[in-house]
Formats: sequence, structure tokens, C-alpha cells
Amino acid sequence: EVQLVESGGGLVQPGGSLRLSCAASGFTFSSYWMSWVRQAPGKGLEWVAYIKQDGSEKYYLDSVKGRFTISRDNAEHSLYLQMNSLRAEDTAVYYCARDFTMIAVAYYFDYWGQGTLVTVSS
Amino acid sequence: EIVLTQSPATLSLSPGERATLSCRASQSVSSYLAWYQHKPGQAPRLLIYDASNRATGIPARFSGSGSGTDFTLTISSLEPEDFAVYYCQQRINWPPMLTFGGGTRVDIK
Repeated sequence: EVQLVESGGGLVQPGGSLRLSCAASGFTFSSYWMSWVRQAPGKGLEWVAYIKQDGSEKYYLDSVKGRFTISRDNAEHSLYLQMNSLRAEDTAVYYCARDFTMIAVAYYFDYWGQGTLVTVSS
Repeated sequence: EIVLTQSPATLSLSPGERATLSCRASQSVSSYLAWYQHKPGQAPRLLIYDASNRATGIPARFSGSGSGTDFTLTISSLEPEDFAVYYCQQRINWPPMLTFGGGTRVDIK
């Protein structure tokens, strides 16, 4: 069974940093592109970042470029999101999501975690 | 950036009724559109990809249609578990810039 379990969320002050983790199991993690998607309170879904299987390609939402870094450890079956210079507008539930296809990339997401809440507030 | 506009914002229907949800793109996305179902406290669920293909395990009552800028998700006969928020999502191949619509909430009437 495919499972994605996020952790690392919490309350952080504006300008602060946080590192989110996503533990993957039930599939060959190293064969899939992976992504982070967020949902602000009362709002819709917003894609944040994407990473290729070997980490050689990374793509970001414009508003997080230069502040967020997506990474992965295939040996540990884990995905990460380092978030720096956090702003109030980054407050959201952050979901880890798996790309729909193995080896190639489809830019759709077939498995998602339950999410972890990040709150940026003083 | 391609903007996806979903309508209506809320749809109030009874079990057994037909639901028709719309997603309109600000420019053509060809057939590169997906639909997701999202319930509070749960992970979103992929329903439809490439506009009209049902994802694995998705019941036949869910169907997608459209191309270019206008897309439709149809639920032929609502089951109690179908009351949720539905999002459309488009993809642009290079560079990846993915956007979601604002969502349609399907409520029990």
C-alpha cells in the first residue's frame, strides 16, 4: 500500500525557517517525480515544488523561489521541503504528492499524504 | 500563468442526482487537465487525468470531458460519499507550472 506521511509542521515566526519531511513507503520511491502542494486556510490547492527522481531537476512556484528548497533522499525514501524567510502567506497545510507515472513525468498526482500544518505568525 | 475558473462555487444536490461541474481555462491547455476530489482532513484523490481518463479504481459514475479551454466533470448519480470539494488542475510541460482551480463544493441538499 502506498503511503506518504508528512511531518515537521508547526508554528514559526515571520522570517523563520522550517523543514518538512515526507516518509514514503509501499512503492519504489526512486522511480517517481515527487512534489509539494499546499492549501491555505479556506483556500484552494496550490502547487509549490517538483523534483525529479534523482534530484537533478527542481521546479518551484514563483512566490517561493529563492526561499524554499525541495530535496530528496532515495536511500531513506524521503522527500523534504526546506522553507526559509517564511511569510504569513505561507501559512497552509502542506501535502506531499507522488507523480502519476513511473520513470517519466505526468504532472498529475495520484497519491497524497494527509498533510502537515505550517502556521507563520508572530 | 494559466488561470482555471471553476463553476459553480457550490452545488447543492441530493443523492441520486446528476452533478455537472465546470472548469474553464484562461488559455488552451489542450487535454492536459485533471480532476481531484478532496474531503476535509483527507488526502486529495485523483479522479480524472488528461481530461477524460478515469484513474485506477475510480467508479464509472465519474466522467470527464472537454478540451482546449472548457472542461466538465460529471457525476452521473451522486452517492453519499461523493459530497466533497472538487478541483481541476492543468499542467504546462516546460517549465512545469501547475495550477489548480478554486474548487467546487458539492453539498447535500
